[in-house]
Amino acid sequence: SAVISQKPSRDICQRGTSLTIQCQVDSQVTMMFWYRQQPGQSLTLIATANQGSEATYESGFVIDKFPISRPNLTFSTLTVSNMSPEDSSIYLCSAEDGANTEAFFGQGTRLTVV
Amino acid sequence: QKEVEQNSGPLSVPEGAIASLNCTYSDRGSQSFFWYRQYSGKSPELIMSIYSNGDKEDGRFTAQLNKASQYVSLLIRDSQPSDSATYLCAVRDDKIIFGKGTRLHILP
Repeated sequence: SAVISQKPSRDICQRGTSLTIQCQVDSQVTMMFWYRQQPGQSLTLIATANQGSEATYESGFVIDKFPISRPNLTFSTLTVSNMSPEDSSIYLCSAEDGANTEAFFGQGTRLTVV
Repeated sequence: QKEVEQNSGPLSVPEGAIASLNCTYSDRGSQSFFWYRQYSGKSPELIMSIYSNGDKEDGRFTAQLNKASQYVSLLIRDSQPSDSATYLCAVRDDKIIFGKGTRLHILP
């Protein structure tokens, strides 16, 4: 299984600012994803990070708020822009290596917006 | 809207007993099914995957899949306090959809 490193592990940010979260996989993977998990809730898919092209966003998530980059097959970033307290959540990066395979997760970024 | 349903719990099981976790899904075309364990404050960890009808065993864990009933379950034998966690059922069609999870509490 791939090992996924995510940073920062946690941050406290002022409202109106932006935070970029980095995700590094120790091997080349086909697919990378970004999820949000709010307290006591399950995982909500934000977007699929596509290598070399624009990310594919799920309903309710837009590029202006959550810009995503994926410059190669091992690295992706998620930016949470113009943050508000409602963005306080855990953000998780995951990777899959091919169709019908399982997803592996980074350790997550716990974001608190004050 | 594709959905994955789980009882949120908490499910309390005595140490040494069998814990049974259940999950139903709405998309009959789903092909891959997963169980993740998530400890509080940690990220999900894959514990079982199953792709065909029947049972799949791995140590103390058994996953069961019934595609006709659109039902997936996870059995944990000889439950240990370290099994106390939230268990997420996940189903893949074109993407992986997670259930809300079942909180399992193993009573010492």
